[in-house]
Amino acid sequence: DAGVTQSPTHLIKTRGQHVTLRCSPISGHKSVSWYQQVLGQGPQFIFQYYEKEERGRGNFPDRFSARQFPNYSSELNVNALLLGDSALYLCASSIRQGGGYTFGSGTRLTVV
Amino acid sequence: AQSVTQLGSHVSVSEGALVLLRCNYSSSVPPYLFWYVQYPNQGLQLLLKYTSAATLVKGINGFEAEFKKSETSFHLTKPSAHMSDAAEYFCAVSESSSNTGKLIFGQGTTLQVKP
Repeated sequence: DAGVTQSPTHLIKTRGQHVTLRCSPISGHKSVSWYQQVLGQGPQFIFQYYEKEERGRGNFPDRFSARQFPNYSSELNVNALLLGDSALYLCASSIRQGGGYTFGSGTRLTVV
Repeated sequence: AQSVTQLGSHVSVSEGALVLLRCNYSSSVPPYLFWYVQYPNQGLQLLLKYTSAATLVKGINGFEAEFKKSETSFHLTKPSAHMSDAAEYFCAVSESSSNTGKLIFGQGTTLQVKP
């Protein structure tokens, strides 16, 4: 069975640009969460979506937004990129809210 | 507010020796606790989780952890280290009563295994 799939795997953007990251959860999983992992640190919670509704938001600026589609896949959007947005962005899926989370391999975003 | 503290950013053991990675948590409600492992350039893999059942939790690859409420600890152990155990390990906590799915991670511990 396919795990959590994230695309692209690597991305280089220029300051001020916009980026969209994509996540396909495990089949049957209705909850998707996004995390930012800066080099040398633990992942930080950005968003959680369940049944296409936002159910949790971390301490990130409004430049960060996300959505979940009817097939439960999800997009993370970041506007007006800053150098500090350079990080590994991880997506995790779960059958339900609060359940065990399976993580994807992440998207490595570099902002130059 | 919940938090996780992993004591020791780097731990080095010899192959075959005991592995002990320390994690202390803070939570005002009964927690769910997790240990994840991350290999270079990869995502997080769940090793084990505590969700208020047995306090001694067995996970994959020979790892186990014990939930000690009185010490607010959830230390990860493995009796005999293998070279393939070298990786970054993260302890995480979530609120058992929460519907947000939010995990709070520690800063991570890098495990080095020497031959």
